[in-house]
Amino acid sequence: DQQVKQNSPSLSVQEGRISILNCDYTNSMFDYFLWYKKYPAEGPTFLISISSIKDKNEDGRFTVFLNKSAKHLSLHIVPSQPGDSAVYFCAASDQNQGGKLIFGQGTELSVKP
Amino acid sequence: DSGVTQTPKHLITATGQRVTLRCSPRSGDLSVYWYQQSLDQGLQFLIQYYNGEERAKGNILERFSAQQFPDLHSELNLSSLELGDSALYFCASSVEGMSGYTFGSGTRLTVV
Repeated sequence: DQQVKQNSPSLSVQEGRISILNCDYTNSMFDYFLWYKKYPAEGPTFLISISSIKDKNEDGRFTVFLNKSAKHLSLHIVPSQPGDSAVYFCAASDQNQGGKLIFGQGTELSVKP
Repeated sequence: DSGVTQTPKHLITATGQRVTLRCSPRSGDLSVYWYQQSLDQGLQFLIQYYNGEERAKGNILERFSAQQFPDLHSELNLSSLELGDSALYFCASSVEGMSGYTFGSGTRLTVV
């Protein structure tokens, strides 16, 4: 049972435009959500997170939106840059279950100059 | 350099063999997590240790085991290897809580 789903395996965006990456989850006990970015031959790097008590968190060009009723979160990157090209993983956790993260399958973002 | 060190980076071995993957967490981090990433899959949680004790277990096969030593480094032991065990194995560490793990660069295991 895939509790965290990223339904778009890939996304292509023009430099300077907005990139929107989506993530859906099924477990209503999840209360903390994170986005990781992964380049080839490297481990995932933490990007941004959001607690379930918020609906938006912003860090520079990156904003994460959480819609609890729809069990949906999204990552917005504005403006997109070629260096943002990577695989983006959504992850979720139930903080009562310790540090375990449940990851989505990832979305490969390609930002074209 | 993330501060989490995994060795070896690459490992090629035959079916039925046993291997040990090693992880040194970031300085000060007490929790170590192991994840498996198979082809076209997300990262699957295997196991978590905190200060030497097992804290949480995921879909870890009985052929796999792990431990965390007093110096906080961790080892993941994979035995009776099968072709399907070929994957990237990532270690991550954190102080505690959910501020975001720090991942190592992974060990790519190929079983032939």
